[in-house]
Amino acid sequence: EAGVAQSPRYKIIEKRQSVAFWCNPISGHATLYWYQQILGQGPKLLIQFQNNGVVDDSQLPKDRFSAERLKGVDSTLKIQPAKLEDSAVYLCASSFLAGGSETQYFGPGTRLLVL
Amino acid sequence: SQQGEEDPQALSIQEGENATMNCSYKTSINNLQWYRQNSGRGLVHLILIRSNEREKHSGRLRVTLDTSKKSSSLLITASRAADTASYFCATRGGSNYKLTFGKGTLLTVNP
Repeated sequence: EAGVAQSPRYKIIEKRQSVAFWCNPISGHATLYWYQQILGQGPKLLIQFQNNGVVDDSQLPKDRFSAERLKGVDSTLKIQPAKLEDSAVYLCASSFLAGGSETQYFGPGTRLLVL
Repeated sequence: SQQGEEDPQALSIQEGENATMNCSYKTSINNLQWYRQNSGRGLVHLILIRSNEREKHSGRLRVTLDTSKKSSSLLITASRAADTASYFCATRGGSNYKLTFGKGTLLTVNP
């Protein structure tokens, strides 16, 4: 089965610019997650969707970050305007959450460098 | 905030040796999961242990959970160079399946 797809894989922007990341989860997975992973740290959940709805966005910096999941499939994460501290890998994950399965499947990530 | 704290931060062993990594957490959990991350394959789920379980095995992996001490350990037996990666513990406490990851242990297996 195809895995979680993300694009772009790498992005370099200057501070105060905007950037958007795209994620296509595994087919049939209702739950989608966006994580931020700063170098040397573990992933930190930014936002969790269940189908179209937001389940948890408590750690999303809403003054600059936004995310949407139209039609309950693909998702985009946007940063506007970017700051130097946003340099990180942005990981998208999806899970089925049926039959007791909680495994999250991660995409390859988008590595963002803000100059 | 980070819930889990892995120990050690880095571990270097020879191929064939066993590797043990520990994870401590602060609040009560529903389950604890271990993930591996390397540059080639990204972040991959290894094993899940529920709060009412004490030990679980999967191939060369053995996970233990002590809820009274709020700690878990991951043992990799007969390590291989391909096991070189960062290993993260992640805890789920609530009902929304949110995972909180630790900072990870960097394991290097030398051939």
